[in-house]
Amino acid sequence: QAHLVQSGAEVKKPGSSVRVSCKASGDTSSLYVISWVRQAPGQGLEWMGGILPQFAAANYSQKFQGRVIITADESTSTVYMQLRGLKSDDTAVYYCSSSAFDVWGQGTMVIVSS
Amino acid sequence: DIQMTQSPSSLSAYVGDRVTITCQTSQDITNYLNWFQHKPGTAPKLLIYHASNLETGVPSRFSGSGSGTHFTLTISGLQPEDTATYYCQHFDSLPYSFGQGTKLEIK
Repeated sequence: QAHLVQSGAEVKKPGSSVRVSCKASGDTSSLYVISWVRQAPGQGLEWMGGILPQFAAANYSQKFQGRVIITADESTSTVYMQLRGLKSDDTAVYYCSSSAFDVWGQGTMVIVSS
Repeated sequence: DIQMTQSPSSLSAYVGDRVTITCQTSQDITNYLNWFQHKPGTAPKLLIYHASNLETGVPSRFSGSGSGTHFTLTISGLQPEDTATYYCQHFDSLPYSFGQGTKLEIK
């Protein structure tokens, strides 16, 4: 069974960047593509993008194009999501998930506040 | 991009009731649809994949149906622990979007 463990909560200033990590362990062969999904307070789930670590090929939602970068370090089985130009409405819980969306990280709270 | 329309946005029902949540997509996605249960403070939980397949470990009172552009999630015999927000999500093509969510309250 695969597990995804994310980095801890972050508090950031508007205009700055945040990088959240997602480390895979266990039977990682089923994970394939790793997606990032976020939920802002009082809002629904929102798919941000995903990466196929084997080929370092990432795809992004148009909404986040130009602000988000998803990378992977295969040597440590870790995927990173960097979001730049943070705004207050980027305050959210950020999740990583497997390609089948059957395995999820525990979520990382990112607060953007001056 | 494929648009998702999920309804209702909220509903309230009694223990033992049968409830149905619908999800419509703006174009044919065959059966590339998931259903999730999401409780505050936890990660979303996959309930149904490929429109009608029950994820391992999910109680059999949950079922999914549909294909093309119209899908339903049915919970038969509501339990108190079913209080949650439910989302549909397509994975037909990028971007993989979610429905707006249905908040289910148990009376």
